[in-house]
Amino acid sequence: AQSVTQLGSHVSVSEGALVLLRCNYSSSVPPYLFWYVQYPNQGLQLLLKYTTGATLVKGINGFEAEFKKSETSFHLTKPSAHMSDAAEYFCAVSKSGGSNYKLTFGKGTLLTVNP
Amino acid sequence: EAQVTQNPRYLITVTGKKLTVTCSQNMNHEYMSWYRQDPGLGLRQIYYSMNVEVTDKGDVPEGYKVSRKEKRNFPLILESPSPNQTSLYFCASSFTGAYNQPQHFGDGTRLSIL
Repeated sequence: AQSVTQLGSHVSVSEGALVLLRCNYSSSVPPYLFWYVQYPNQGLQLLLKYTTGATLVKGINGFEAEFKKSETSFHLTKPSAHMSDAAEYFCAVSKSGGSNYKLTFGKGTLLTVNP
Repeated sequence: EAQVTQNPRYLITVTGKKLTVTCSQNMNHEYMSWYRQDPGLGLRQIYYSMNVEVTDKGDVPEGYKVSRKEKRNFPLILESPSPNQTSLYFCASSFTGAYNQPQHFGDGTRLSIL
């Protein structure tokens, strides 16, 4: 079975500081990895995804993530935080095989950006 | 505009009173799914559907039913709601054929069962 661990349920940064949200996964087969963002009272919006190819993936709003197979990690970063980045972030994994495209989610990381 | 639409957005009801949460997508997606989101647990899959008349259980199906009579609609039915089904519910859809397809989510339905 696959699983996702997000280290830190709450991360607080200052505006302009580096954002680093950690995600580790376990999967018995090559995974497909996603980061979603959830703003208050909204659904989940895709930030970026890794499927195959280049391990450094760029997404929307200046975010990027690097797939490291040896570390089973897919950490999300942004060089300079904006107030508008305050939201909850979810790492998710899906896998090939079977008939269900289920996403297995981590428990989420709430990002607070301080002025 | 491509979207997944859920209704209602908010509902407060009482134990045992049947309710249905509707979900509709306009992207001609084959795959649709329901998740519930609870604090500290992330999102967990309730049911999914690969296409019309094809549905199956996810990780937490107890107390829920679904149907898929049309490609665009995937309602979630709570026949006899209980307080432990108080949660935030999300419908999602995507194309099939590749596990790397991102899923599109609705804005959520917050259910409170008293």
